[in-house]
Amino acid sequence: DAGVIQSPRHEVTEMGQEVTLRCKPISGHDYLFWYRQTMMRGLELLIYFNNNVPIDDSGMPEDRFSAKMPNASFSTLKIQPSEPRDSAVYFCASSFSGRVNTEAFFGQGTRLTVV
Amino acid sequence: AQKITQTQPGMFVQEKEAVTLDCTYDTSDPSYGLFWYKQPSSGEMIFLIYQGSYDQQNATEGRYSLNFQKARKSANLVISASQLGDSAMYFCAMRMNRDDKIIFGKGTRLHILP
Repeated sequence: DAGVIQSPRHEVTEMGQEVTLRCKPISGHDYLFWYRQTMMRGLELLIYFNNNVPIDDSGMPEDRFSAKMPNASFSTLKIQPSEPRDSAVYFCASSFSGRVNTEAFFGQGTRLTVV
Repeated sequence: AQKITQTQPGMFVQEKEAVTLDCTYDTSDPSYGLFWYKQPSSGEMIFLIYQGSYDQQNATEGRYSLNFQKARKSANLVISASQLGDSAMYFCAMRMNRDDKIIFGKGTRLHILP
């Protein structure tokens, strides 16, 4: 299995531009999580999906952030317009559901820099 | 509210010594799982060990063990005989049964000194 695949690995964009981060979860996993990692806040849960349906988006910082999961094998996190404070590493993770002993498998992350 | 607290932003430990990384948690869900992940400088997230809220014994995985004290709501990671390769960021995480949410602490950066 290829694991969770995120793209791009690195993104540098100018303030005000739209940014789209992509994620392909592990086949068969029905939970997908988006996290943001910063020095100050650690690993924050932004939003998560179950069977392609958003369950909790309370971690999304502002309306500039949106996430979709059009099918079981693809999800996007979009920031529009981007701001310098959005600079962080964004992780996507997936897992099976149903039991608390199921760990999340992480992608390699996307390092976003907004200048 | 559900929360994970890691109070040690950074730690320095001599090689071959044991090290304990602290983690406390807060949840009203009686069923939950606790996890530890390692993040080396390369950035990937590596799952280390799991402990269930109903498990009677502390989890162990090689040099890793989890000191689970349910009444205190703590789940400390113990690394025995530390190695230079253990230098990394370590995250404590919790998965709640009622909503399958997985939340993380802020992490502890561990430095192993030769």
